[in-house]
Amino acid sequence: DAGITQSPRHKVTETGTPVTLRCHQTENHRYMYWYRQDPGHGLRLIHYSYGVKDTDKGEVSDGYSVSRSKTEDFLLTLESATSSQTSVYFCAISEGGRYSNQPQHFGDGTRLSIL
Amino acid sequence: AQSVTQLGSHVSVSEGALVLLRCNYSSSVPPYLFWYVQYPNQGLQLLLKYTTGATLVKGINGFEAEFKKSETSFHLTKPSAHMSDAAEYFCAVGGTGRRALTFGSGTRLQVQP
Repeated sequence: DAGITQSPRHKVTETGTPVTLRCHQTENHRYMYWYRQDPGHGLRLIHYSYGVKDTDKGEVSDGYSVSRSKTEDFLLTLESATSSQTSVYFCAISEGGRYSNQPQHFGDGTRLSIL
Repeated sequence: AQSVTQLGSHVSVSEGALVLLRCNYSSSVPPYLFWYVQYPNQGLQLLLKYTTGATLVKGINGFEAEFKKSETSFHLTKPSAHMSDAAEYFCAVGGTGRRALTFGSGTRLQVQP
C-alpha cells in the first residue's frame, strides 16, 4: 500500500469551530488531493496541490483552505465548520504529470462529524 | 470537461454469477479510465486502468474492463462473483491537465450466497 497517513481518523466537533485535517505521504509524490465523499455523490474534489506551495481549487472548495509547506504534508482546514461539511474526507497522491493518466492512491479517510 | 455515469447505484448478484458494472464517460480528449474498489471503512483501491494500447484491461481479483470508444463505455466484469467482492465500485476518468480524476457516483455490489 502507498504510504499515506490521514489524521485524525475520526473527529466530532461543533459548528463554528476550526478544523484541520492532515495528510502525510512517504512516497515523495508531487501531486496531492483532498476529496470529500457523500452518499450519492461519489468523490468530489476539494483542493489539490501540484507542488510545495502550489495549490488549486476543485469543484467544492467553498469553506475550505489548504496548505502545503513540505512535499510530504497536505493540510485541509475548515475555518469555521458547518453541518454541511459533515463527511468522509480522503487524501490521495499521484505521480501526476501533464496528463491525468497516473492512478491516484488513497488514504483510509477521516470521518468528520459537525454537530 | 469530463463526466462519468455509473448505471445502477446498487447491483445484486448470486455467488458464482457474472458481475457486470456499467460505466459511461464523457471526455473531450482521449480518456484515461480507472476502476476503484472501496471496502467498508477503507479508502479506494485501484482495480485496473486504461491509458493506451489494448482495450481489454485485466485487473486484480479477476476483474477486467473493456474500453469501447464508439460506445464511450468502460464496463467492469468478472466471470464469477465471490462473497469477498461485495464492496462499492467507482469508475473514474482522467485527461489532460493537472487536475484530479472525475469520479462516478459509485455502484454498491452485493453478492448473495
